[in-house]
Amino acid sequence: TQLLEQSPQFLSIQEGENLTVYCNSSSVFSSLQWYRQEPGEGPVLLVTVVTGGEVKKLKRLTFQFGDARKDSSLHITAAQPGDTGLYLCAGAGGTSYGKLTFGQGTILTVHP
Amino acid sequence: GAVVSQHPSWVICKSGTSVKIECRSLDFQATTMFWYRQFPKQSLMLMATSNEGSKATYEQGVEKDKFLINHASLTLSTLTVTSAHPEDSSFYICSAGGAGPAANEKLFFGSGTQLSVL
Repeated sequence: TQLLEQSPQFLSIQEGENLTVYCNSSSVFSSLQWYRQEPGEGPVLLVTVVTGGEVKKLKRLTFQFGDARKDSSLHITAAQPGDTGLYLCAGAGGTSYGKLTFGQGTILTVHP
Repeated sequence: GAVVSQHPSWVICKSGTSVKIECRSLDFQATTMFWYRQFPKQSLMLMATSNEGSKATYEQGVEKDKFLINHASLTLSTLTVTSAHPEDSSFYICSAGGAGPAANEKLFFGSGTQLSVL
């Protein structure tokens, strides 16, 4: 069974702080996706990283794919209350061919 | 971008009744659709992979007679929770992708259905 370990599970910070969420696996993924989900809604895709070592930036969010394509990180700079939500990483390909493997999720709360 | 419509958004039903949830791809053909279940503050758990014109592939531990999946067209997949019980109460989400082995690498998610069984 392919696993994607996401940490931390919970993160409660003050507005303006920085944070990093990690996803790690022993398996290689062809791509890795990051989603943000709000209560009662479906996940919304933030970014897809495909190439080992790739770094993508989306305003205050920076996504990195490990060189070996086994891990990824999401870094948020100067977090805002609007960043509050459930963040999910999901790996595609690897040993679970044709399926997305989701991490456990990180619940982020940014206090004003 | 592509849109996936899921209906209903929420449903309350009595124990023992069946509930049907629809997932439609509005502007693209989805040969593959995925059904997930999500408990509060937890990640998505894949229930089954729905392939147009063929039987769904269920994940280990998911009862196929309990959760009936039909993918009769390239734009519609349905999940029917049969004889629902309170333990079936959950948030159900569908996603739709394209064709081939990379079908899951560009997925679009529905807005989810909150099922509450009394």
